Amino acid sequence: AQSVAQPEDQVNVAEGNPLTVKCTYSVSGNPYLFWYVQYPNRGLQFLLKYITGDNLVKGSYGFEAEFNKSQTSFHLKKPSALVSDSALYFCAVRVGRKLVFGAGTILRVKS
Amino acid sequence: GAVVSQHPSRVICKSGTSVKIECRSLDFQATTMFWYRQFPKQSLMLMATSNEGSKATYEQGVEKDKFLINHASLTLSTLTVTSAHPEDSSFYICSAREGDGANYGYTFGSGTRLTVV
Repeated sequence: AQSVAQPEDQVNVAEGNPLTVKCTYSVSGNPYLFWYVQYPNRGLQFLLKYITGDNLVKGSYGFEAEFNKSQTSFHLKKPSALVSDSALYFCAVRVGRKLVFGAGTILRVKS
Repeated sequence: GAVVSQHPSRVICKSGTSVKIECRSLDFQATTMFWYRQFPKQSLMLMATSNEGSKATYEQGVEKDKFLINHASLTLSTLTVTSAHPEDSSFYICSAREGDGANYGYTFGSGTRLTVV
């Protein structure tokens, strides 16, 4: 089955430090990968997507993600975390017309 | 950018009644919309794909007679939870496919918190 996995339930990082939220994928063919963020009781906000092209994708709010085909990974990164980045992050892959989501990773940034 | 409006944001209803949730694409036409359900601290579960002008496609295990989906126009899809029960209490989120060709994306509504009492 085509899917994504987020191996960490929660990531804790100090404000100002770099952050990484991990995602690995299992798909046949070329993957279309997405990252979304969700704040409490809100819908999902789009951060970035990889369709084709450069392996380093830059997105909203200073986030970026690196597509690594050999490691089948699409980790989300930010050079310097903010307290306001604390939220729930979802990796997703497009399967046909649908999005299939990972389990989500809670990011906590402490001041 | 593309905006999807979902209404209401919160609703409380009595057991046995029906509740309608609206999902509108404000600045683009959406031939395909999606309805998700999210339990606390869990991921999104796709319930159904809403197709403009035709019947929705439901995921396995989702009762189509309980969760009625109508997509009568290119900018509006509705989800009606019929004869609601407390176990239907959840956070429901819609999304709309936007963009053309292979490079399309998905824009999400802000969600609806349904509480059945």
